[in-house]
Amino acid sequence: TQLLEQSPQFLSIQEGENLTVYCNSSSVFSSLQWYRQEPGEGPVLLVTVVTGGEVKKLKRLTFQFGDARKDSSLHITAAQPGDTGLYLCAAYSGGSNYKLTFGKGTLLTVNP
Amino acid sequence: NAGVTQTPKFQVLKTGQSMTLQCAQDMNHEYMSWYRQDPGMGLRLIHYSVGAGITDQGEVPNGYNVSRSTTEDFPLRLLSAAPSQTSVYFCASTSGPTKFGYTFGSGTRLTVV
Repeated sequence: TQLLEQSPQFLSIQEGENLTVYCNSSSVFSSLQWYRQEPGEGPVLLVTVVTGGEVKKLKRLTFQFGDARKDSSLHITAAQPGDTGLYLCAAYSGGSNYKLTFGKGTLLTVNP
Repeated sequence: NAGVTQTPKFQVLKTGQSMTLQCAQDMNHEYMSWYRQDPGMGLRLIHYSVGAGITDQGEVPNGYNVSRSTTEDFPLRLLSAAPSQTSVYFCASTSGPTKFGYTFGSGTRLTVV
């Protein structure tokens, strides 16, 4: 079972600040996904990355997949209180294995 | 709205009781999964299915059974509830797991006393 390490575990910042959260593993991923979860709700997909070195942007969020496909980062520019939530990375090891493994998440709080 | 529907939203069970958590999706997705989410442990895969009639074990399958008789439904059965099964349970589905990501239900909060 591949292990996904997310850091930091908790992050509390002021509105307008920038931040980066990380997702790392010793295993190679065939694809990696980022989700955001709000209290009392299920996770919601933000992005899927499949190619080493890939960069995707979603408004103020920038997602990067490492060249070796073992790590990923999520950067938020000018954070807003609406960005508050639990950010989860998840990955597949590939082949016929359709098990999606999740990291433990980064709990982000953006204070007004 | 189309999506994944889980029932019930909340449930309290006594140790040893059995129950079924219901999950239905109306998106014609082939792939479905059950996860449990516990503080400090993240989301852990219980069972998953790649199509009607096909199921497989995930990371923490003990104490749970699943079946997939139709594309739409993927119920999770607790055979004899234990306090260790107190958790929030999420059902999720997708048409293509590596490309499209999963759509999650809103969860069932289960307490076993």
